[in-house]
Amino acid sequence: GENVEQHPSTLSVQEGDSAVIKCTYSDSASNYFPWYKQELGKRPQLIIDIRSNVGEKKDQRIAVTLNKTAKHFSLHITETQPEDSAVYFCAASGWGGYQKVTFGIGTKLQVIP
Amino acid sequence: NAGVTQTPKFQVLKTGQSMTLQCAQDMNHEYMSWYRQDPGMGLRLIHYSVGAGITDQGEVPNGYNVSRSTTEDFPLRLLSAAPSQTSVYFCASSYSNSNFWATGSNYGYTFGSGTRLTVV
Repeated sequence: GENVEQHPSTLSVQEGDSAVIKCTYSDSASNYFPWYKQELGKRPQLIIDIRSNVGEKKDQRIAVTLNKTAKHFSLHITETQPEDSAVYFCAASGWGGYQKVTFGIGTKLQVIP
Repeated sequence: NAGVTQTPKFQVLKTGQSMTLQCAQDMNHEYMSWYRQDPGMGLRLIHYSVGAGITDQGEVPNGYNVSRSTTEDFPLRLLSAAPSQTSVYFCASSYSNSNFWATGSNYGYTFGSGTRLTVV
């Protein structure tokens, strides 16, 4: 089955700096790669996603890149703000009838004011 | 739209007791799943369903049962609770991606608010 590795497990940045979280996946059939943000005590929420036919996607201060050949994808947050502090999860899934979504272990991001 | 509704939010069980965690969605999502979240272990898939009447096991299915009699509901049953099942449980739903390339639908999950379960 699919295996998703995520690193780093914790990340501290100064407010205004950039943050990068990286994930690798094992199943070459995976083609959908969402990212979720989970604030303390709350549910995970989708913040951005990318499909395998796209190499990069951007939404304001966040962007995701995908390298299918190397089987890795990354989340980039620019101009970080204290409200970006949360746990971020990457995930990978295939398509077709029995889509299974496999999550990375999560990255705890702390933005220091 | 209520989204994904999970009940209860908190529950304490004694070892050996059984219970059902409820999950309902009103977005006409075909795909529903249950995850457990434990410190340092991320989100692990327990069971999932691609439509009414169809379920399958995830990564950690032992000790749990599911059924999907309607599109809207996907309850998770703990058969005989054990302390190892102490966790936070999330239900999630999404559109099926069987038309992945043909439509522009959002295939990301909508999560419920979670159930914090303690087994003593």
